[in-house]
Amino acid sequence: AQKITQTQPGMFVQEKEAVTLDCTYDTSDPSYGLFWYKQPSSGEMIFLIYQGSYDQQNATEGRYSLNFQKARKSANLVISASQLGDSAMYFCAIGSASKIIFGSGTRLSIRP
Amino acid sequence: DAGVIQSPRHEVTEMGQEVTLRCKPISGHNSLFWYRQTMMRGLELLIYFNNNVPIDDSGMPEDRFSAKMPNASFSTLKIQPSEPRDSAVYFCASSLRGGIGGKTYEQYFGPGTRLTVT
Repeated sequence: AQKITQTQPGMFVQEKEAVTLDCTYDTSDPSYGLFWYKQPSSGEMIFLIYQGSYDQQNATEGRYSLNFQKARKSANLVISASQLGDSAMYFCAIGSASKIIFGSGTRLSIRP
Repeated sequence: DAGVIQSPRHEVTEMGQEVTLRCKPISGHNSLFWYRQTMMRGLELLIYFNNNVPIDDSGMPEDRFSAKMPNASFSTLKIQPSEPRDSAVYFCASSLRGGIGGKTYEQYFGPGTRLTVT
């Protein structure tokens, strides 16, 4: 069985600051993937970044990076130089083979 | 490239009526997923298909819900009869299928169908 936990229901961050969204997981699968999605107020789900369990380096995509600590079973999302448009819900997810399980999400609000 | 297409985008219906939601996955993707999102329960996986075959329908809430995927480019989620508690946003997503022990591919979501049952 797989489990994803996001302990921060909401966060407020000043524009241009970096922000870290927490995510911990549990799985018995030796091979899995970790994902982050963004859901703005308009409702669409946008894929941000992926980390494979066997990847040696932390994934990066532009201003997004994934702080993957396998021993601690954590996969935190780091957004550098936050922008007003980053205000949204952020979901962490874990998957193996095909199925992906999503966390409960963190609502990020960026203050101007 | 066209993303995942869902129709209708909004549906308002009366309790007891049949509702059919439609999804066209991204061409070349061989896994398709139906999700339901509510404020109370978050994002729930209802069912997913690999190569048009239902693999896991344990998330389907009850027999009123059914899903089909007659071919690689089309899927439906049907609710019959609908109830007010079915009101939610229903997402369809598609991805490539990774083998066991291999890469799990990211899912691409459609815009969702906002269903309101009165």
